[in-house]
Amino acid sequence: GAGVSQSPRYKVAKRGQDVALRCDPISGHVSLFWYQQALGQGPEFLTYFQNEAQLDKSGLPSDRFFAERPEGSVSTLKIQRTQQEDSAVYLCASSPPPRLAVHEQYFGPGTRLTVT
Amino acid sequence: AQSVTQPDIHITVSEGASLELRCNYSYGATPYLFWYVQSPGQGLQLLLKYFSGDTLVQGIKGFEAEFKRSQSSFNLRKPSVHWSDAAEYFCAVAPGSGNTPLVFGKGTRLSVIA
Repeated sequence: GAGVSQSPRYKVAKRGQDVALRCDPISGHVSLFWYQQALGQGPEFLTYFQNEAQLDKSGLPSDRFFAERPEGSVSTLKIQRTQQEDSAVYLCASSPPPRLAVHEQYFGPGTRLTVT
Repeated sequence: AQSVTQPDIHITVSEGASLELRCNYSYGATPYLFWYVQSPGQGLQLLLKYFSGDTLVQGIKGFEAEFKRSQSSFNLRKPSVHWSDAAEYFCAVAPGSGNTPLVFGKGTRLSVIA
């Protein structure tokens, strides 16, 4: 079946613009995670959902970052008034229910955001 | 808080040579441990994972890793490297059970020379 997909794959934004990044998880996966990967670094956790509930948003770097998953499937990460330090690859991952495969996170290809 | 250290930023090996990538973690209990590989422009692919039981785990693409509690380590090994193994490798830890966020190391970039 299809894996996790993300769109757009590349996004260039002028500083101050708002952007929206989309994640389509694997069908049936209840958990969805967003990570930020700066150049030369490992992914860092931003937020995660179980179905439509946002269970943890402690990794969001500022109130300019907002994520939603209204129907428990597709998720959108929105960044308002983008700054240069927001330039990174944003990775989405999804997981099946824990009873099936604990901690099996399947990653999408990421969206590379460049803020100029 | 959990943390993961990958001491080597960049490693270069010859094709056919053996490989060991180091990973140390900090966590109070036995964590869930993972190795992921990331090729340029690609997402992360799970190579292997350790939850419990046998401390030597086998993964895909001929990789294996050994969990050593006394050293808080989970090193990745491969007996014979192929040019296609050139990529970035990330060690990660997850606390407890259930689906919780992963904590990643900064990664080790592997270059393979002929």
